Amino acid sequence: LAKTTQPISMDSYEGQEVNITCSHNNIATNDYITWYQQFPSQGPRFIIQGYKTKVTNEVASLFIPADRKSSTLSLPRVSLSDTAVYYCLVGTGNNAGNMLTFGGGTRLMVKP
Amino acid sequence: DGGITQSPKYLFRKEGQNVTLSCEQNLNHDAMYWYRQDPGQGLRLIYYSQIVNDFQKGDIAEGYSVSREKKESFPLTVTSAQKNPTAFYLCASTPRQGGSKYFGPGTRLTVT
Repeated sequence: LAKTTQPISMDSYEGQEVNITCSHNNIATNDYITWYQQFPSQGPRFIIQGYKTKVTNEVASLFIPADRKSSTLSLPRVSLSDTAVYYCLVGTGNNAGNMLTFGGGTRLMVKP
Repeated sequence: DGGITQSPKYLFRKEGQNVTLSCEQNLNHDAMYWYRQDPGQGLRLIYYSQIVNDFQKGDIAEGYSVSREKKESFPLTVTSAQKNPTAFYLCASTPRQGGSKYFGPGTRLTVT
């Protein structure tokens, strides 16, 4: 399984754009990159998933360079409610047995 | 509404007792998972099941047992052999073809 490395924590202010980078040097050809958000005492919530280049939805953007050894989750104009832990996962999307391991995640603190 | 339910939300047990945590989903998902989360840590996989009557051990299966008799149900038993059972337990599911995981609200187990 591809191991991921993320910063342990990040601070930001309301209205700023936040970029969280995840390293996954051993990503395999069939692996997808998925990001989840978790609030205290709740289950993680899916944010975005991508394979290459750029993916955008109503919540975030995901940037993946050509070598796919890293990815960046971009949250535009964060608010206090975006304070949470963000997890990056790498694994084969079409195999339920993969994408199993969550790392420690990145704790984002948004300040007023 | 489709989703995953876990019950109860809070559970208290005496040391030496087995306890079973419930997880039910009506999403028609094939794969189901159990994770454990300790304070300030990421999620660790206990067991997962890709199909009825089949399941595999995750990273920390010792002291736990599961069953998958029905597609919609994946109960987890925390046995007395689990040395540090106090934790937040999360259940998740995905469709057979993969994709993002849907998480339940979690059960916080306290053993004294």
